[in-house]
Amino acid sequence: DTAVSQTPKYLVTQMGNDKSIKCEQNLGHDTMYWYKQDSKKFLKIMFSYNNKELIINETVPNRFSPKSPDKAHLNLHINSLELGDSAVYFCASSRGQGGEQYFGPGTRLTVT
Amino acid sequence: GNSVTQMEGPVTLSEEAFLTINCTYTATGYPSLFWYVQYPGEGLQLLLKATKADDKGSNKGFEATYRKETTSFHLEKGSVQVSDSAVYFCALSGSGGGADGLTFGKGTHLIIQP
Repeated sequence: DTAVSQTPKYLVTQMGNDKSIKCEQNLGHDTMYWYKQDSKKFLKIMFSYNNKELIINETVPNRFSPKSPDKAHLNLHINSLELGDSAVYFCASSRGQGGEQYFGPGTRLTVT
Repeated sequence: GNSVTQMEGPVTLSEEAFLTINCTYTATGYPSLFWYVQYPGEGLQLLLKATKADDKGSNKGFEATYRKETTSFHLEKGSVQVSDSAVYFCALSGSGGGADGLTFGKGTHLIIQP
């Protein structure tokens, strides 16, 4: 059983489009995250979310928005895609705050 | 703010060599420290962790000790294998409460040659 899953694994789209990436965890965790990994493998937190608060990294453009229909899901919606959005996006989850996080397999987004 | 500095690679070793990947951090309070590994084309896997000073995390022959006095969490393995080739990330989680994400180092690409 996959603990943290993401769909799609690959996403190729054109500039200006709107797209979503889905994330689901079956670990019973209460906190979920989105990270962006650039071409140099550098990982940076974009959002963290639990049922009480959403924390947004201030450097993330407001074209990016997380949507959580329930505790097991945290989807990432991106409006007006730009070339610089091309990266690998990882979803993660943890029990509580500050503990170890479990990562999904990643979604490679390519904007042309 | 929090930050993590780790040696940049690639680091190339022969099989059965001793491995050290240095990691130092800057953080307020008492963060938890982690090493994650990313194999080609895959997501990140937790390799080991330490939650307080002097704790030693270990897994699959890898070890790292939480040194508060030197703000370090160096990763070591006595005898590496070709299958250890991957990118290794040092990370910390904040101790200030709130749903903080992990702060990662830039990753160290390890290449083990047979």
